[in-house]
Amino acid sequence: DAGVTQSPTHLIKTRGQHVTLRCSPISGHKSVSWYQQVLGQGPQFIFQYYEKEERGRGNFPDRFSARQFPNYSSELNVNALLLGDSALYLCASSFGTETYIQYFGAGTRLSVL
Amino acid sequence: KQEVTQIPAALSVPEGENLVLNCSFTDSAIYNLQWFRQDPGKGLTSLLLIQSSQREQTSGRLNASLDKSSGRSTLYIAASQPGDSATYLCAVTGAGSYQLTFGKGTKLSVIP
Repeated sequence: DAGVTQSPTHLIKTRGQHVTLRCSPISGHKSVSWYQQVLGQGPQFIFQYYEKEERGRGNFPDRFSARQFPNYSSELNVNALLLGDSALYLCASSFGTETYIQYFGAGTRLSVL
Repeated sequence: KQEVTQIPAALSVPEGENLVLNCSFTDSAIYNLQWFRQDPGKGLTSLLLIQSSQREQTSGRLNASLDKSSGRSTLYIAASQPGDSATYLCAVTGAGSYQLTFGKGTKLSVIP
């Protein structure tokens, strides 16, 4: 079975641009979460979606938004990119919410120049 | 606000040695604690999940314990191998929350 897949693998953008990152969860998983990992730090929670509804939001500005589609895949959108948005963006899927193992994708490496 | 701390930040051991990685968290109201492995530039691989009602979990050479009341967890790796070299992260899911709160990780190097 395929694991969590994220696209693209790498992305280079300039300040002020917009970016869309995509995530496909493991088949049968209904929950998708997004995390940002800056070099040398642990991942920071951005969003969680379950059954296409937002269930949690981390401490990130409104430039960050996300949605989950009927097939449970998800998109993370970031507007007006800043240099500080350069990071590894990780998507995780799980069958449910709090008590289930979260499985992570390989991530999207975003560089903002 | 939940905070997770991992000590040490880095650890270097000779191959074959047994080792312990430590994780502490400030709020004991958690659903579970999860240990992950991360290779350089890669995503996270789940190693073990301990529910709040459990005391330990084992998988192969790995054993994780949880003492919720003291806010501590340990990951024990037996007979370390060079292939175990990676960054190990612990994360907790807080009660009433949907997010994982991570520590900064312990970077392990196993020397052949």
